[in-house]
This record gives sequence, structure tokens and C-alpha cells, in this order.
Amino acid sequence: DAGVTQSPTHLIKTRGQQVTLRCSPISGHKSVSWYQQVLGQGPQFIFQYYEKEERGRGNFPDRFSARQFPNYSSELNVNALLLGDSALYLCASSLHGGVKSGANVLTFGAGSRLTVL
Amino acid sequence: QQQVKQSPQSLIVQKGGISIINCAYENTAFDYFPWYQQFPGKGPALLIAIRPDVSEKKEGRFTISFNKSAKQFSLHIMDSQPGDSATYFCAAGAGSYQLTFGKGTKLSVIP
Repeated sequence: DAGVTQSPTHLIKTRGQQVTLRCSPISGHKSVSWYQQVLGQGPQFIFQYYEKEERGRGNFPDRFSARQFPNYSSELNVNALLLGDSALYLCASSLHGGVKSGANVLTFGAGSRLTVL
Repeated sequence: QQQVKQSPQSLIVQKGGISIINCAYENTAFDYFPWYQQFPGKGPALLIAIRPDVSEKKEGRFTISFNKSAKQFSLHIMDSQPGDSATYFCAAGAGSYQLTFGKGTKLSVIP
């Protein structure tokens, strides 16, 4: 059974460019969340989507946007890249949108490592 | 504003020893406290999680202790093994998957 898949695994961009990161959740999972992990830090919440609707947004500027498609896959877009956007971007999926069920585990992908020069 | 404080930043333990990592939170709305394990080049993987209605949860060599009044929780790894060498993150959530993570603890288990 495939886990959460993310693409690309690595990419290099220059300041001012735009980037799109992609995520395919575990089959049957309807919720996708995005996290940013700067080197040496814990993941920081960016967005959560459930059933194609935004359910939460972290403290990130409007340069960050995301969407979820009918097949529950998701894209994260970052415009006008800054050096500080260099990080590992993690996608996580879960069956439902919340933690009411003890079996509702948040499963992370391996991430997309973005380097901004 | 950091809402989950994790310590220590790094930890070296002898094989067979006990590894202890501590976390403290501020937001009393948090009701879900997972621990994640991350190996280099991999995403975080759920290790064990606890809810505030219990004070301890054990799964194999891993135990979470939870103190609601002190707003603290900790991870104990018994009989630590070299394969446990990884970075461990505590996290907290309130009803959704908007988890707030600690800064992580790099554990090294030496033979």
C-alpha cells in the first residue's frame, strides 16, 4: 500500500520565482495538511484541507496558497520566493479532518526539499 | 510564539539505557499529544500518542507520561537501541490536525 507521495523530492529556485509542490495522500484519506520544516526545527503548520475545503491556515503570508483536487491530491504554491522559504515541505494525510478518533493517524510523506538561492 | 517547548535539544544514551525527552505546552485547549520520530531524509512517523484523560500510555519500549495540571508530557524509551537514534518531536493539537511541534531532540544511542 503506497504511503503519502510528494514531488519533486528536491528542487532549487532563485529568489522571486514561484514553485508548485505536489502531494498524493494515502488511498481513502480525505484530509491533506502541509507543513514547513526549516533545518533544525520542528514542522510548522501551513494549511489543512478536508474534502477539498480549507479547514485551517497557519501563520504564513499570502504568498503561500494551496488547493485540494477531487481525487484528494493537493498542491502547495509559493510565489515570490525568499531565501527564508528554503525548507523541507511536508505533506501529511489522514482519513478524517480531526483527531476525534484514536485511529485517525496523521501520516507524513518524505517531503520536498526546496532550496532558494 | 512557541507553544510547545521541548528539551533537551540533544541526548546521548548508552545502549540499554533509558532515554527521556520532556515537553511543556501552554494552550489548555490542546487535547491530543503525539510523538513523532524522524530519520534523516524521511518524514516524521507517528510513534505514540496520548490524550489528557490518561496519565500514561505504553507501547512496547515507548511510554508517554502526561501531567495535565503541570501541562507537561514526556517520552521514555526503555532499553534504548542504536536503531532508536533519530530526531524526536513532541506535538500538540486541539481537535484538528493543526499540530504544533516542539523543536525536536536529536537522540544518539551509542553501543
